[in-house]
Amino acid sequence: NAGVTQTPKFQVLKTGQSMTLQCAQDMNHEYMSWYRQDPGMGLRLIHYSVGAGITDQGEVPNGYNVSRSTTEDFPLRLLSAAPSQTSVYFCASSSGDRVVTGELFFGEGSRLTVL
Amino acid sequence: QQQVKQSPQSLIVQKGGISIINCAYENTAFDYFPWYQQFPGKGPALLIAIRPDVSEKKEGRFTISFNKSAKQFSLHIMDSQPGDSATYFCAPLAGGTSYGKLTFGQGTILTVHP
Repeated sequence: NAGVTQTPKFQVLKTGQSMTLQCAQDMNHEYMSWYRQDPGMGLRLIHYSVGAGITDQGEVPNGYNVSRSTTEDFPLRLLSAAPSQTSVYFCASSSGDRVVTGELFFGEGSRLTVL
Repeated sequence: QQQVKQSPQSLIVQKGGISIINCAYENTAFDYFPWYQQFPGKGPALLIAIRPDVSEKKEGRFTISFNKSAKQFSLHIMDSQPGDSATYFCAPLAGGTSYGKLTFGQGTILTVHP
């Protein structure tokens, strides 16, 4: 099993450009989420999904869109990139019985720089 | 609003020593208390977790101690090894009402010198 796969690993954007961070998991997990990691701030939840067709906002959703058309994929869209979105983005997934105890499986991250 | 405060920000320990990382929280709805470990260039991975109905949980060299009345929990790493050098996060959640919404601490960078 590949687990949680994120692409691209690195990306540089100019202010105002749009892009999509891809996330795929092969563990048939119902729950998927996106976090951003900034120095000294830990990880903060952007959006999450409890199943195909169901998404909801996390702590810092502004400037990001998500959709979940399949169980496997959960892309994160930046509509108009801003320097404040420079960060490392992590996708995570979990099963229903594990997510309630806080066990998430994270990808290796996508490092985004917005100039 | 800073719901979770983790300390220290960084920690340097000699091989064989004890590493202690603390986490204080405000939200009394938290009912699961995991610790995550992250190596450079990798995503966080669950290390150990505790429920509030026990005061201590041990897995190998790693122990969580929980003080419900003080709203604090800590990670102890016994016989610290250079391979333990990583960033550690506490990430409590209210499992029943906040489905998968972990609240991460700021992180502690642990360096174990050989």
